[in-house]
Amino acid sequence: EVQLVESGGGLVQPGGSLRLSCAASGFTFSSYWMSWVRQAPGKGLEWVANIKEDGSKQYYVDPVKGRFTISRDNAKNSLFLQMNSLRAEDTAVYFCARDKSVGPTKLDCWGQGTLVTVSS
Amino acid sequence: DIQMTQSPSSLSASVGDRVTITCRASQSISTYLNWYQQKPGKAPKLLIYAASTLQSGVPSRFSGSGSGTDFTLTISCLQPEDFATYYCQQSDRAPLTFGGGTKVEIK
Repeated sequence: EVQLVESGGGLVQPGGSLRLSCAASGFTFSSYWMSWVRQAPGKGLEWVANIKEDGSKQYYVDPVKGRFTISRDNAKNSLFLQMNSLRAEDTAVYFCARDKSVGPTKLDCWGQGTLVTVSS
Repeated sequence: DIQMTQSPSSLSASVGDRVTITCRASQSISTYLNWYQQKPGKAPKLLIYAASTLQSGVPSRFSGSGSGTDFTLTISCLQPEDFATYYCQQSDRAPLTFGGGTKVEIK
């Protein structure tokens, strides 16, 4: 069974940092792009970033460029999101999702999400 | 960035109704369009990819159509478990933008 489990969320002050993790199982992790998607309380979905199978390419949404870094460890079947200079508007549930293997993106498996709250 | 506009933002329908949700892209995205369903407190679920291909395990009452800039998600016979919020997402180019969502509520 394909499974994604996020961890690392919590309460952080504005300007602070947090590192999210996503543990993957049930599929060949190194064969898939992976994405992070977030959802602010009561709002819609916002794609945040994705990373190529071997980690050689990453793409980001403009509001997080220069502050967030997506990375992966294929030996440990793990995906990460390093979040620096956090702002109140980064408050959201963060989901990791399995992205494409071939062809265009389709997010076909999602974790349960981890809540990040940025507040003083 | 490609903007995705969904309509309506919400609708009320009864069990057994045919429901149609539309999604418009700000520029042509060919058929690089996915649809997701999300229930409260849960992760989204992929329903349809490449505009019209049903994801494995998704009931056949769900269908998608369209190409270029205009797309449609249709639920042919609404079931109680279909009351949820639906999102379109373009997968043509980064950033991979979502529509604002359509909440399907019980009439």
